[in-house]
Order: sequence, then structure tokens, then C-alpha cells
Amino acid sequence: NAGVTQTPKFQVLKTGQSMTLQCAQDMNHEYMSWYRQDPGMGLRLIHYSVGAGITDQGEVPNGYNVSRSTTEDFPLRLLSAAPSQTSVYFCASSGDRGELFFGEGSRLTVL
Amino acid sequence: AQKVTQAQTEISVVEKEDVTLDCVYETRDTTYYLFWYKQPPSGELVFLIRRNSFDEQNEISGRYSWNFQKSTSSFNFTITASQVVDSAVYFCALSDLGPYGQNFVFGPGTRLSVLP
Repeated sequence: NAGVTQTPKFQVLKTGQSMTLQCAQDMNHEYMSWYRQDPGMGLRLIHYSVGAGITDQGEVPNGYNVSRSTTEDFPLRLLSAAPSQTSVYFCASSGDRGELFFGEGSRLTVL
Repeated sequence: AQKVTQAQTEISVVEKEDVTLDCVYETRDTTYYLFWYKQPPSGELVFLIRRNSFDEQNEISGRYSWNFQKSTSSFNFTITASQVVDSAVYFCALSDLGPYGQNFVFGPGTRLSVLP
């Protein structure tokens, strides 16, 4: 059982480049979300989705786009990367007990 | 607004000591959920426990125990007889938009180092 799968695990970008972080889950969860983790700040919600075709902003959405065309997939797009987006990104899905299941994380560096 | 405070940034203990990680939360909702997650040095986030606001019973799971007190808005986590493998960052989290965690708020985390 793969759970939540994120790719890539590591990425280096130059300022202004765009990229997509992929996230897929095989647990048939309706709720999926993206977080960023920065030192001393815990995890902050970027965007979330409560089902296919439905997305909403979290605490720190600026500079990121998401879409949810299927239940399984929830990609996160950086349109024009900035150094402030250097972080570790986690995708998560939530089951019927409410706890979040996290992917392994993607470490992004923007130069 | 929701808020989770973990006042202990870092804790160091010697193996076999007991250690308590503090978590204080703020929410205006009467129905909410509290969680603890562990992030070992390998970086993944591991779910430890979920507690809803109507269940104030303390819970014990092996060497882990949790003390939920609504009167003080606290949800503390105790590790008994700590082991080196307990070294990790521990996050307390709050969700108050229903059981599907639509609006999780995480504390800043407490880094626990267990020394041999």
C-alpha cells in the first residue's frame, strides 16, 4: 500500500522558473492538502481540496496553484519560483478518522 | 483564530528518563480535534494520536501517554523511559472544522533529543 506519494524528493530551481510537485494517494481520500515546513514555524497550509474539482486556499497560498481533476492526484504548481519558496513541501490526505497521512516530503531550493 | 503553542523548542534527556512535551491550544469552537505527529530525523511525518474535544480520557499506548485537559486547553504528551529512537521533532496540531481536518493548525514543534 503506497499511501501518499510525492515527487520529486529534491529539486533545485532558479528564480523565475516554474515547476510542479506531484502528489498521488491510493487510499480514496476526498481531502488532500499541501503544506510547507520551514524551520521554527511548524507546517503551514498552502492549499487544500475536499474533493475532485474543489480547491481552496490555506494560510500561505501566494505563488502557488493547485488543481484536483481526480480523487487520486493533487499537484502543486509554482508559477515563478522565488527564494522565499525554498522549503520542504508535504502533501497529505485525510481519511475518515481525520488524521493526516503525509507523503515523504519534497525539498525545494530556489537560487 | 486557532493557535497551537509548543513552548519547548528543544528538550534533551538521557535515555530512560521520562519527558513531557507541552501543547497549549486556542480555539473558539466547541468541537475540535487534537493530534500529535512525530518527525524523526529521516523527515517523514508519523501520526501518533487523535483526540476529539468530547473525550477527555487520558490515553496510554505503550511508553506513550497523553493528558488532555480542556480546562487549561492543554494536550500534553509524555514519553516514559525514553529511548534514543524517540529522538525526533514532535508536532501538536488542532483541527476545528470537522473530523476531516480541513483546517489543521500545527504548533512549531518540539525537538526532543534522547542521549544514550
